[in-house]
Amino acid sequence: DTGVSQDPRHKITKRGQNVTFRCDPISEHNRLYWYRQTLGQGPEFLTYFQNEAQLEKSRLLSDRFSAERPKGSFSTLEIQRTEQGDSAMYLCASSLAVGANTYTQYFGPGTRLTVL
Amino acid sequence: AQTVTQSQPEMSVQEAETVTLSCTYDTSESDYYLFWYKQPPSRQMILVIRQEAYKQQNATENRFSVNFQKAAKSFSLKISDSQLGDAAMYFCAYRSADNNDMRFGAGTRLTVKP
Repeated sequence: DTGVSQDPRHKITKRGQNVTFRCDPISEHNRLYWYRQTLGQGPEFLTYFQNEAQLEKSRLLSDRFSAERPKGSFSTLEIQRTEQGDSAMYLCASSLAVGANTYTQYFGPGTRLTVL
Repeated sequence: AQTVTQSQPEMSVQEAETVTLSCTYDTSESDYYLFWYKQPPSRQMILVIRQEAYKQQNATENRFSVNFQKAAKSFSLKISDSQLGDAAMYFCAYRSADNNDMRFGAGTRLTVKP
């Protein structure tokens, strides 16, 4: 395991369709994060998990978005009824948290979503 | 809410020269972390350097060093002996010690001229 992986790398869909992305974190990392990055901007936090528990969600995460990490390993991010404004790069990151210490987040290559 | 500002959308440096990228942030917290990430074209984001706010000593990683001015809320990145492979988007990021919501600046695109 050499890093965070994401699948697919690119997704083109029509407005109104549902899409699902997958993230596989670094194997020993217990925290997993989802970010959205639009062109010319820095990543924006969406949500994060500690093991299988979703502990924090940004107000950016509308009710059309849902994220899961059922076994505390890989995670999926689903967007229902996609809109053109959902077009962005979706980044996943993972880190190790031990006690009160949370270590550096390592990023995956991202999934670029284009909604036509 | 914490905000991170990178006032230089683009910077350019000659190969082997030194360049400094600026970053300022706004926070009322005393305990936090600051990061510089590099995002090469069509490639994933890589951590360049990390600074803990409680440490007065500036972090250094080989050719990369920071100038952390806590009172001024400034966190600049200096790249010495610039190489062609340094060309990328550079993002400054802030994370509170109390949560995991990392805030990023808008980025600075660095071009390295041969």
